[in-house]
Amino acid sequence: GESVGLHLPTLSVQEGDNSIINCAYSNSASDYFIWYKQESGKGPQFIIDIRSNMDKRQGQRVTVLLNKTVKHLSLQIAATQPGDSAVYFCAERRSGGSYIPTFGRGTSLIVHP
Amino acid sequence: EADIYQTPRYLVIGTGKKITLECSQTMGHDKMYWYQQDPGMELHLIHYSYGVNSTEKGDLSSESTVSRIRTEHFPLTLESARPSHTSQYLCASSPPTLYNEQFFGPGTRLTVL
Repeated sequence: GESVGLHLPTLSVQEGDNSIINCAYSNSASDYFIWYKQESGKGPQFIIDIRSNMDKRQGQRVTVLLNKTVKHLSLQIAATQPGDSAVYFCAERRSGGSYIPTFGRGTSLIVHP
Repeated sequence: EADIYQTPRYLVIGTGKKITLECSQTMGHDKMYWYQQDPGMELHLIHYSYGVNSTEKGDLSSESTVSRIRTEHFPLTLESARPSHTSQYLCASSPPTLYNEQFFGPGTRLTVL
């Protein structure tokens, strides 16, 4: 079936290190992939998206890599800070239909000072 | 911080009660959404609306109903709460043509005894 999922449920890093959060997808018809961050007690917050015809997109301290061959995307956070501690979700937006993203399971990022 | 509000933030209620979860946004967004989320798990779309008098059911079968009489207001009602309804309910909105970036409220954590 169609699904969006994450490889690791929890990722622990030291402050200042780079973090890499991975996500696998199975629907080749998706036209956008999106990353959200959810801090404890809050709703998710949009981080960045990438169109399916791109391999890489950079934002502020974040980079999204998309590998369509193996249906995998990753979110790289440079110089991870304690404020980056949160649950990160990837989502896919399928072309056509309602255009509403489908969310995968989250990865909890824990940043140790 | 997004201007989208949910009340109550926490609700503990007995089985069989009728409840309404409130969601309001002051951004003038036409599209609004309701998601159900268990802790650390993915978000499941239960209802959405493209504008006033427009409501649609999402991917997750739900015994709730919604209404959209005003642009800014999108309440969700459970006619008869059950323990299986215990979860977090997140409301979101997005502006015209921006499907990827949804603005989420803080959520309502519902416990049905």
